[in-house]
Amino acid sequence: GQQVMQIPQYQHVQEGEDFTTYCNSSTTLSNIQWYKQRPGGHPVFLIQLVKSGEVKKQKRLTFQFGEAKKNSSLHITATQTTDVGTYFCAGPPLSSGSARQLTFGSGTQLTVLP
Amino acid sequence: EAGVAQSPRYKIIEKRQSVAFWCNPISGHATLYWYQQILGQGPKLLIQFQNNGVVDDSQLPKDRFSAERLKGVDSTLKIQPAKLEDSAVYLCASSLVARAGTEAFFGQGTRLTVV
Repeated sequence: GQQVMQIPQYQHVQEGEDFTTYCNSSTTLSNIQWYKQRPGGHPVFLIQLVKSGEVKKQKRLTFQFGEAKKNSSLHITATQTTDVGTYFCAGPPLSSGSARQLTFGSGTQLTVLP
Repeated sequence: EAGVAQSPRYKIIEKRQSVAFWCNPISGHATLYWYQQILGQGPKLLIQFQNNGVVDDSQLPKDRFSAERLKGVDSTLKIQPAKLEDSAVYLCASSLVARAGTEAFFGQGTRLTVV
């Protein structure tokens, strides 16, 4: 079955440093979604990328979808303590047709040290 | 707009007992997901409904887990009998339709502890 891996699993940064997490799928994805889960909370949708090579920005966050639609990255510039949480990528495999099972990656837990 | 409602928030049971979780998705959302999230891991899809039909339950341990969405609205997930390894947060999510461009909205989850 489809596997979605993320690296690194954990990342500690000083406030103001940049942060990047990478997402790799074993199968070609129909689209890629990114979610953030604060400690003790539930996943909250951040953004969706659909097109091959697509890049989207949300303030200090930059999201990229790979040309082959099998990988993605999230980059945060100048991290703040409010960025603390676990970042998950998720995406349905292209072969899933209309079912669109949303498979989540393993997540990257970000800690920002003040 | 009301979010996805789940109950109970917490549940502690002994192994071999049964437990049920309830989810009420956002009004009008056709797709409903049940995920299991073990501490430190990503959410694992257990079952996905489109209206009241199952579109994927390949990772549902069917010998002990069952789920239904009888009227295409709210849903229940049951575990019988529970095992220690079932300790996790059970997340319910819904989306307008299961296709590109539709984000999933999650409930607060039910934290299950099996002792």
